[in-house]
Amino acid sequence: GAGVSQSPRYKVTKRGQDVALRCDPISGHVSLYWYRQALGQGPEFLTYFNYEAQQDKSGLPNDRFSAERPEGSISTLTIQRTEQRDSAMYRCASSSPGTGSTGANVLTFGAGSRLTVL
Amino acid sequence: AQSVTQLGSHVSVSEGALVLLRCNYSSSVPPYLFWYVQYPNQGLQLLLKYTSAATLVKGINGFEAEFKKSETSFHLTKPSAHMSDAAEYFCAVGAYTGRRALTFGSGTRLQVQP
Repeated sequence: GAGVSQSPRYKVTKRGQDVALRCDPISGHVSLYWYRQALGQGPEFLTYFNYEAQQDKSGLPNDRFSAERPEGSISTLTIQRTEQRDSAMYRCASSSPGTGSTGANVLTFGAGSRLTVL
Repeated sequence: AQSVTQLGSHVSVSEGALVLLRCNYSSSVPPYLFWYVQYPNQGLQLLLKYTSAATLVKGINGFEAEFKKSETSFHLTKPSAHMSDAAEYFCAVGAYTGRRALTFGSGTRLQVQP
């Protein structure tokens, strides 16, 4: 697509429920990133993929959080047994390989999914 | 490990005045540095990036930033603020080894007074 698409844009859930957040990256973008952004803070890295392979999941806060990208395109971030502290904006970004290091790639962000856990 | 410190969570300037948003970084390897801007209800957009070419980097909307290795800084400037510049600005650092994803600062909210 033309941009990074995230759904749902807003999700309100009760504590203990599972939620799944979806990210549809820009077509052809190899790398896909998940970030979490609390109010008044910068984006905090969660995990990223190259194609379908999860390259780094060191930012996932605990084992209730997981992510997948089974066909190297759309990704799903799943939070099990949600807690109030999980409330935040969850942002997805994608990037193309570029000609240099992955660390230099420009990330294109989606508008985010705002999760509220009651 | 990499980190970014943005000095000043809120900056207020008058329209037409100089904009200066401060960013200091820490990186054990030569860094790649970025400035992103976030408007309300939108995703982050790239303003400019430094990837070891020219130390003075020009971006969109008249913004520029200068990489100063000796000061470990990458401050963002614009000579004359416009009302439309009001937004939140994030500095970020990346690297060619280790974690291959960007590490962001906590952001600076810029207000432009008429």
